[in-house]
Amino acid sequence: QVHLQESGPGLVKPSGTLSLTCTVSGYSISRDSHYWGWIRQYPGMGLQWIGTTYYDGRTFYRPSLKNRATLSIDTSTNQFSLKLTSVTAADTAVYYCMREIPGGAASDWGQGILVSVSS
Amino acid sequence: QPSLTQPPSASGSPGQSVTISCAGTSSDVGAYNYVSWYQQHPGKVPKLIIYDVNKRPSGVSDRFSGSKSGNTASLTISGLQPEDEADYYCNSHALSSVIFGGGTKLTVL
Repeated sequence: QVHLQESGPGLVKPSGTLSLTCTVSGYSISRDSHYWGWIRQYPGMGLQWIGTTYYDGRTFYRPSLKNRATLSIDTSTNQFSLKLTSVTAADTAVYYCMREIPGGAASDWGQGILVSVSS
Repeated sequence: QPSLTQPPSASGSPGQSVTISCAGTSSDVGAYNYVSWYQQHPGKVPKLIIYDVNKRPSGVSDRFSGSKSGNTASLTISGLQPEDEADYYCNSHALSSVIFGGGTKLTVL
């Protein structure tokens, strides 16, 4: 049974960098069968796909975030990470890490972490 | 980046069937058999209930079914139960990314 857990600061200052890590247990992220990525949810609102990464380092991003987002993967620690630069209040959301089936279905989710952007 | 179009709300009585639509374009829903549906109860994590248009993950009730026609996908919930009251989201593969619908709030009357 795969388990995903997000970690990182819950508060980031405007213009700063949001950095989150997802620790995966119960499954090796170096297996070539799934993608690993992030989805965010604005308070009381819908879901937004941010991007995914693969065990070989390939990355895919939401076009509107491509210039600010960086996903990375560390198979030695079974973790993957998200960095989002130049954040504003519009980036305040619950961030979920997830395991994605080829084709885009997020089959497993972390519990989510609320990240607020505020001075 | 455009999103998929879902009705903001839907409702049905216990035992009835309800269908939620997810309208896209020929570049996303119409181009790939990669539509997924998620159920989210208030304060909870979204749960995958349909993937690849009409496949159910292990453990998901067969009361949930998915289909697609052209650029529009649909989720049908048969034999509505009170615990089906939740928000439902669709998503679709789109070139090298994934897009979501805005969500539909299902009320079980």
